[in-house]
Amino acid sequence: DGGITQSPKYLFRKEGQNVTLSCEQNLNHDAMYWYRQDPGQGLRLIYYSQIVNDFQKGDIAEGYSVSREKKESFPLTVTSAQKNPTAFYLCASSPSLAVSTDTQYFGPGTRLTVL
Amino acid sequence: DQQVKQNSPSLSVQEGRISILNCDYTNSMFDYFLWYKKYPAEGPTFLISISSIKDKNEDGRFTVFLNKSAKHLSLHIVPSQPGDSAVYFCAARGSSNTGKLIFGQGTTLQVKP
Repeated sequence: DGGITQSPKYLFRKEGQNVTLSCEQNLNHDAMYWYRQDPGQGLRLIYYSQIVNDFQKGDIAEGYSVSREKKESFPLTVTSAQKNPTAFYLCASSPSLAVSTDTQYFGPGTRLTVL
Repeated sequence: DQQVKQNSPSLSVQEGRISILNCDYTNSMFDYFLWYKKYPAEGPTFLISISSIKDKNEDGRFTVFLNKSAKHLSLHIVPSQPGDSAVYFCAARGSSNTGKLIFGQGTTLQVKP
């Protein structure tokens, strides 16, 4: 059955290490997104991608990097430059970025804790 | 600058009664609004949406109302059930075709049996 998978569910890293979060979708969606959620705050957009080999910075892109080599995959790397990396990271996809009424569907999330 | 605001961090209602969750926005260019429901340690799930050309959309127990002049939308859940206990986020999308959603801070709903 179709959906979005994120792995792992929980991730622990030492400060100063880069870490890559996985996001895969088999919904045949063109657009994919990365958000982070902090306690008491809404979801904030990190990066988004409309098509393969194209991605754009969101509102809080500093300290993060992404790639979109395949339609199904949109991995997020949290680099050592990200000052407060501990958060809940959510990946989402939608059929098209250009259609305003397209709904975004979310994966189960990855809880990253930097020690 | 918080363009989408949910000013009530939490709401508690009795089972069977109505739950009303509120959301305010500042950008008049938003043309599509969505409500998501989120359980702890899970991704948000889509609940209901409304286009700015409408003032009401209903889906079963869930109804969303949009007041464009007041830049306000609300989600009504009738009747409320204990399984509705979750965090509810409203989100808005601009008309610039970026697909970007702007989320509110969320309201935690507790439905007591």
